[in-house]
Amino acid sequence: KNQVEQSPQSLIILEGKNCTLQCNYTVSPFSNLRWYKQDTGRGPVSLTIMTFSENTKSNGRYTATLDADTKQSSLHITASQLSDSASYICVVRNYGGSQGNLIFGKGTKLSVKP
Amino acid sequence: NAGVTQTPKFRVLKTGQSMTLLCAQDMNHEYMYWYRQDPGMGLRLIHYSVGEGTTAKGEVPDGYNVSRLKKQNFLLGLESAAPSQTSVYFCASSYEEITEAFFGQGTRLTVV
Repeated sequence: KNQVEQSPQSLIILEGKNCTLQCNYTVSPFSNLRWYKQDTGRGPVSLTIMTFSENTKSNGRYTATLDADTKQSSLHITASQLSDSASYICVVRNYGGSQGNLIFGKGTKLSVKP
Repeated sequence: NAGVTQTPKFRVLKTGQSMTLLCAQDMNHEYMYWYRQDPGMGLRLIHYSVGEGTTAKGEVPDGYNVSRLKKQNFLLGLESAAPSQTSVYFCASSYEEITEAFFGQGTRLTVV
């Protein structure tokens, strides 16, 4: 069964600290992996999209890594800011699957405290 | 830049009532999607469209209908609302199947 598991479910860190969020998936065959940021009460916003051949991708203070062999991805946030408080969702697309076949994780809720 | 706009943002329905959620995108995207987001669950696909005049079922289509008469608009209809349809609904669009999806702000629907 195609699944995307994220850990931890929630995380509290102090402003200025770094953190890493994890995503494990069993989706096969794999097309791409996406990380989204979802602020409370708003729609998800794309941070990165990574294909099979990409190991690392950065977007400002956000760096995503992908290990297609172990089917794991991580999102590293550097020098966290209060505005980073949000849910971070890992999404994997199933190659060759039905149109619109994105498998969503349940998200990690990050709280950044002053 | 408007991007993806959903109307309305909030709605309360009584069981058995009907309503239509409107999604409009101004990016000339071919692909449009409707998702629902429930507490403790990932987003789940209700219906999607790969172009004007086309629609297809997603993971949880029961109780919903959709139409895409114009490329920029994707409508989600509830014919007879049920409490189980209480959720936050998100519309999204993308240029191609594999490219980034842009989401609307969401519609919070409560069925009492």
